Amino acid sequence: KNQVEQSPQSLIILEGKNCTLQCNYTVSPFSNLRWYKQDTGRGPVSLTIMTFSENTKSNGRYTATLDADTKQSSLHITASQLSDSASYICVVSADWEVGADGLTFGKGTHLIIQP
Amino acid sequence: DTEVTQTPKHLVMGMTNKKSLKCEQHMGHRAMYWYKQKAKKPPELMFVYSYEKLSINESVPSRFSPECPNSSLLNLHLHALQPEDSALYLCASSQVGRGASYEQYFGPGTRLTVT
Repeated sequence: KNQVEQSPQSLIILEGKNCTLQCNYTVSPFSNLRWYKQDTGRGPVSLTIMTFSENTKSNGRYTATLDADTKQSSLHITASQLSDSASYICVVSADWEVGADGLTFGKGTHLIIQP
Repeated sequence: DTEVTQTPKHLVMGMTNKKSLKCEQHMGHRAMYWYKQKAKKPPELMFVYSYEKLSINESVPSRFSPECPNSSLLNLHLHALQPEDSALYLCASSQVGRGASYEQYFGPGTRLTVT
């Protein structure tokens, strides 16, 4: 069964500090891995998408890494801001034969930035 | 235009009412999705339309009835809902293809409350 596990479940850090969120997956066959940011009551917004051959991808203060051998990904947030408070969801896509991608969602990490 | 719009933003309905949620995108995407999201949980896939045809129905009760009248529009018709159906309903769209890094764009969601 395809699974995506995220850790920690929740995290509180001070504004300006860095943090790293983890994602482990067992989705097969692997197509790509995505990190989304979701503010409370809003739809998820894509931060990065990485395929099998990509190890690192950055989007501003967000840097995602992917190790396809160990099936692990991380999302590193640099110099956190109050607006970074949100849920961060790791989503892994399976390589389907036809039609729309099948996505497996992690449960998310709830990040709180304190002033 | 990379926007997915959803209406209404909020909906309160009784258990005997009939209502519809609407979703629209003009990115030329041929895959559209409905997700249900409860508080502090990841989105759960309900339906997937690929080229305006229902390709995935994740065993959703018949009181939820999806419709894709054209490639830009996706509706979710609601009838005889239960209080436990109260949730954030998210629409998303993407390109269609095998093994590609096609990003899913999410709408802001409709907050549904069933009384």
